[in-house]
Amino acid sequence: GNSVTQMEGPVTLSEEAFLTINCTYTATGYPSLFWYVQYPGEGLQLLLKATKADDKGSNKGFEATYRKETTSFHLEKGSVQVSDSAVYFCALSDPGNTGKLIFGQGTTLQVKP
Amino acid sequence: GAVVSQHPSRVICKSGTSVKIECRSLDFQATTMFWYRQFPKQSLMLMATSNEGSKATYEQGVEKDKFLINHASLTLSTLTVTSAHPEDSSFYICSARGLTGGSYGYTFGSGTRLTVV
Repeated sequence: GNSVTQMEGPVTLSEEAFLTINCTYTATGYPSLFWYVQYPGEGLQLLLKATKADDKGSNKGFEATYRKETTSFHLEKGSVQVSDSAVYFCALSDPGNTGKLIFGQGTTLQVKP
Repeated sequence: GAVVSQHPSRVICKSGTSVKIECRSLDFQATTMFWYRQFPKQSLMLMATSNEGSKATYEQGVEKDKFLINHASLTLSTLTVTSAHPEDSSFYICSARGLTGGSYGYTFGSGTRLTVV
């Protein structure tokens, strides 16, 4: 079946450090891939997305490239800030066109000053 | 941009009562709405998918008689937790899928923290 696997957290970094959160997926067909961010007590906000192989999504200094050959969509940021502390979810859209999003388990990022 | 309004943001209710949560798409028509449940420090669990004017499709293990979903219009879906019990306490999030900016996207509400006492 379709699934998303993220690296376990929490990830703790110092401010200005480089961030990588790994995400791999299993899917039949050609899903779109997403990264969402959730701040404490809030809903999810779309961070970036990619709809086909080799696409790179980017937003607010975050980037992720849709790698079909490695079935991955790793999230990166060159220099994190304290305000980036949140939970990050990788997700894919159900290739069966049900419209469902399938989420990874989430990775908590803590950035210390 | 696309906005989804979900309310209430927090609700405390007594065991045995029912609670209604609303999810509205403010500036686009939501062809499909999704309801999720999130336990502390866990991922989102899809409860059901609803399309305007038709019955919701529930995920396996979700009690349709306990979690009533209505999607009466292209901008409004409601989730009613009937005869709530403490184990129903959770964070509920809706998501609307619709055509925004020329492509289909998903927009999430800000969530509802339900506490059943």
